[in-house]
Amino acid sequence: GAGVSQSPRYKVAKRGQDVALRCDPISGHVSLFWYQQALGQGPEFLTYFQNEAQLDKSGLPSDRFFAERPEGSVSTLKIQRTQQEDSAVYLCASSLEVVSRTLKGPRSYNEQFFGPGTRLTVL
Amino acid sequence: DAKTTQPNSMESNEEEPVHLPCNHSTISGTDYIHWYRQLPSQGPEYVIHGLTSNVNNRMASLAIAEDRKSSTLILHRATLRDAAVYYCILRDVNFKGGKLIFGQGTELSVKP
Repeated sequence: GAGVSQSPRYKVAKRGQDVALRCDPISGHVSLFWYQQALGQGPEFLTYFQNEAQLDKSGLPSDRFFAERPEGSVSTLKIQRTQQEDSAVYLCASSLEVVSRTLKGPRSYNEQFFGPGTRLTVL
Repeated sequence: DAKTTQPNSMESNEEEPVHLPCNHSTISGTDYIHWYRQLPSQGPEYVIHGLTSNVNNRMASLAIAEDRKSSTLILHRATLRDAAVYYCILRDVNFKGGKLIFGQGTELSVKP
């Protein structure tokens, strides 16, 4: 039973370099989220996919950040021309539909399953 | 999204109960209360959630105040493995988006 996997686990980049971070969600999970976690802080939302559609990218800090999920499964977060302030742990999470509803019951959020993260260090 | 307030850190002894408080005085009637925790060097993991009634699962219990302006996550017998940062998060049941909005959380340390 594989959980969410991310690769690489660690990445060191020189300032100005482009990087690509990969996320393999749990099979069958429709929703996929990317978060950024700076040292000593809680994770912050970057972007959200439902299948292959990117429904929310309001958290992407600049146009240097780009995410895709072309076949509705694996996702890649790309950062162009990396800067030192991009140094952080990048977390990916997946879930079934964001919300589910029983036949007569209320809507309920499905839990998000997180990967171990990719620690990016920009020198 | 409504804001939550948690103590920065708490200490516990192994095998004793732990009560982790969360204040959410501006909670709306449609906000669920969720708890996630993050063990060192790992991604966050779901712990429990509730709306109005107290909830129990294999990991913890969630006690929600009658006015819903505060809640408490209860670990009945802390183990060394429970040392983590615990996040209290509000999520609108009317679904204003799936993202989790984390605060600073409470860093729980467990002494043997």
